[in-house]
Amino acid sequence: SYELTQSPSVSLSPGQTASITCSGEKLESKYVSWYQQRSGQSPLLVIFQDIKRPSGIPDRFSGSSSGNTATLTISGTQPMDEADYYCQAWDSDTLVFGGGTKLTVL
Amino acid sequence: EERLVESGGGLVQPGGSLRLSCASSGFNFSGAAMHWVRQAPGKGLEWVGRIRSKVNNYATGYATSVKGRFTISRDDSTNTTYLQMTSLKTDDTAVYYCTPQSAGAVYKWGRGTLVTVSS
Repeated sequence: SYELTQSPSVSLSPGQTASITCSGEKLESKYVSWYQQRSGQSPLLVIFQDIKRPSGIPDRFSGSSSGNTATLTISGTQPMDEADYYCQAWDSDTLVFGGGTKLTVL
Repeated sequence: EERLVESGGGLVQPGGSLRLSCASSGFNFSGAAMHWVRQAPGKGLEWVGRIRSKVNNYATGYATSVKGRFTISRDDSTNTTYLQMTSLKTDDTAVYYCTPQSAGAVYKWGRGTLVTVSS
């Protein structure tokens, strides 16, 4: 079955730039979405189709994709951005999630 | 504003059955594929399955882990999605979310409903 791999955790200070990666075979041929899940809350879509932001998502969130890796970048990270982040792609008509990356803002 | 409200969760014994419901509003429900995603305590997101719209013949698809045990259905007249779960296992313990699909993403999430499978 298809797998998306994310590093388990990222830690940084407020104001720094966070880069969260997601890797998978032939990922370049698939659209990737990203979801934020704060502690105790439901997931929230922050990026879809690799680079697009839903309405209401701050522009400090951006996405990119190259080769077998997609990246979620959070510029000027704020304490409110502390959360788990999940990437998602489609494979054989099934929805696949990465294992999640815990972003800690110290 | 889009809204999803899941219900029907609770405590059930291994081998038992449960039916979850998801009431939707604020978007074109009948035109949307609807998905169920679950999250075991302290774990990540896991896709459960989906049902497509009428124009796509209400086609369903399931994760390998639930195929043959879970069934997704929908009622477009009441904007409700259902997840019928049978032969439940302790590994099925999770918060279950329903979520609509658009542009390749599942774009709106409710609060979910907790299913606990335990003796």
